[in-house]
Amino acid sequence: KAGVTQTPRYLIKTRGQQVTLSCSPISGHRSVSWYQQTPGQGLQFLFEYFSETQRNKGNFPGRFSGRQFSNSRSEMNVSTLELGDSALYLCASSPTQGTTGEQFFGPGTRLTVL
Amino acid sequence: AQSVTQLGSHVSVSEGALVLLRCNYSSSVPPYLFWYVQYPNQGLQLLLKYTSAATLVKGINDFEAEFKKSETSFHLTKPSAHMSDAAEYLCAVRVNSGNTPLVFGKGTRLSVIA
Repeated sequence: KAGVTQTPRYLIKTRGQQVTLSCSPISGHRSVSWYQQTPGQGLQFLFEYFSETQRNKGNFPGRFSGRQFSNSRSEMNVSTLELGDSALYLCASSPTQGTTGEQFFGPGTRLTVL
Repeated sequence: AQSVTQLGSHVSVSEGALVLLRCNYSSSVPPYLFWYVQYPNQGLQLLLKYTSAATLVKGINDFEAEFKKSETSFHLTKPSAHMSDAAEYLCAVRVNSGNTPLVFGKGTRLSVIA
């Protein structure tokens, strides 16, 4: 099976712009989670989608949003970018049933805000 | 709420020496526990997981970890370090359910000296 894919891999934006990141989960996985990774804060949970519904949400401002499509692909959007949004954004997918909580991660999108 | 503490943001060992990376967790309910490895500019790869079966868990590349409930610990070990083990190691906890997010520690960077 193909792994989790994320596009684009690298992105440079300026303050005030908005950005959309994309994630395609492993075939058959219906849960997609997003994480932000920075040197100072480590890995922080953004949100999780399951069957097109947001199931969990982390402690991030409303500028961060996401959605999931019927084919389980997911996008996250960050509006009005700030310098502090520079980070590696990781997407992870999980199997639908019989889960032991394991998540499979994509390679990430490196976002740089100038 | 769950939390994870990884003692030591940076650990350095000689090639062939024992690797010990420490992880303590806090959880009010039985947890699932995970160790992931992350190479530069890449996503996370699962090393091993504890899901309430055997307390000594063996993973890939000769890594293993032991779940000790009395100490709320899940330390990662490897008998003999290789140069290729140099990476970031992240411990994560998830409650015994498929509907909650992973909570990560801040990570430990492992350096291996020739």
